[in-house]
Amino acid sequence: GENVEQHPSTLSVQEGDSAVIKCTYSDSASNYFPWYKQELGKRPQLIIDIRSNVGEKKDQRIAVTLNKTAKHFSLHITETQPEDSAVYFCAASTSGGSYIPTFGRGTSLIVHP
Amino acid sequence: DAGVIQSPRHEVTEMGQEVTLRCKPISGHDYLFWYRQTMMRGLELLIYFNNNVPIDDSGMPEDRFSAKMPNASFSTLKIQPSEPRDSAVYFCASSPSLLSGRARETQYFGPGTRLLVL
Repeated sequence: GENVEQHPSTLSVQEGDSAVIKCTYSDSASNYFPWYKQELGKRPQLIIDIRSNVGEKKDQRIAVTLNKTAKHFSLHITETQPEDSAVYFCAASTSGGSYIPTFGRGTSLIVHP
Repeated sequence: DAGVIQSPRHEVTEMGQEVTLRCKPISGHDYLFWYRQTMMRGLELLIYFNNNVPIDDSGMPEDRFSAKMPNASFSTLKIQPSEPRDSAVYFCASSPSLLSGRARETQYFGPGTRLLVL
């Protein structure tokens, strides 16, 4: 089955800095890669996703890049703000297959004011 | 739409007691998932249903755990008897059907049930 590794487990940055979280996956058939944000005490919520037919996708201050050859994808947050502090989860799944995501272990991002 | 609804939001019980967690998925979603989240193990998929039928329960820790989905709008996760190591946050999530026109792969999580077994 699919295996998703996520790094780092904890990331601490100063407000205004950029943050990068990286994930690798094992199943070359995976073609859908979502990112979820979970604020303290809240539910995980989808913030951005990317499909394997594109290499990059942006939404305001967040972007995701995908390298299919190397089987890794990354979340980039620019101009971080304290409200970006949360746990971020990456996932991989196969559209057209089971659709069931395999989640990474999560990255706790702390943005210091 | 109210989103995925879970009850109770918090549950404190004593070891050996039966615990029942409830979930109402978003209307029109045909996949339902139960997850357990702990600091040690992260987000674990316990079981998932498609059109009310259990598809994969390989993540269920042991026979003390059982899940049902009697209809498209209701599911339960039961722990009997409960043990302290079951303490965790349990999330229910649902995904849209193909006919909805929405991204089938997106998971919509409920608010979770925080379970503490003493």
